[in-house]
Amino acid sequence: AQSVSQHNHHVILSEAASLELGCNYSYGGTVNLFWYVQYPGQHLQLLLKYFSGDPLVKGIKGFEAEFIKSKFSFNLRKPSVQWSDTAEYFCAVSSFSGNTGKLIFGQGTTLQVKP
Amino acid sequence: GAGVSQSPSNKVTEKGKDVELRCDPISGHTALYWYRQSLGQGLEFLIYFQGNSAPDKSGLPSDRFSAERTGGSVSTLTIQRTQQEDSAVYLCASSLVGGYTFGSGTRLTVV
Repeated sequence: AQSVSQHNHHVILSEAASLELGCNYSYGGTVNLFWYVQYPGQHLQLLLKYFSGDPLVKGIKGFEAEFIKSKFSFNLRKPSVQWSDTAEYFCAVSSFSGNTGKLIFGQGTTLQVKP
Repeated sequence: GAGVSQSPSNKVTEKGKDVELRCDPISGHTALYWYRQSLGQGLEFLIYFQGNSAPDKSGLPSDRFSAERTGGSVSTLTIQRTQQEDSAVYLCASSLVGGYTFGSGTRLTVV
């Protein structure tokens, strides 16, 4: 069965600090990988996604993620965070084998950026 | 519609009562998903509908939970004999080919 692990549950950074949030998944087949963000009081929004091709994916708001197949990882990065990046971040994986396209989410990482 | 619509946005119910949560997916999206987000928890998969195929119910936590999707469009998640641990935000999403759009959710509080 697929599973997703996010190692950092709560991260506190100062503005302009660099960010890296870890995500590892467990699945042996072809996967699609996603990062979602949930700002306080708002619904889930897609930050970026990887289906195939260049393993370095750029998303909205200066975020990027790198798919490393050998490590089953899809870590999220941002060179310089802003106070407005305070939110909860979710890594997710899906596969389309067996006609199953459900997203499996990690537990989420709460990011708090101090001004 | 332009997005995934869920109703009600908030629901307070007494323990033991049944509740129905509604999801209107994006028109034309063949897949529909229900998730549950509890305080401090991630998003827990509940059930998945894809076209006319049998739904994937593998995430439903107990037989008190059920869902149906009528005419390949609107879906209703029903929770019977609600318990306090059912309190959570219930999210619906729809997709066409690998792109998922989430609704704003229904916040269910069981008192």
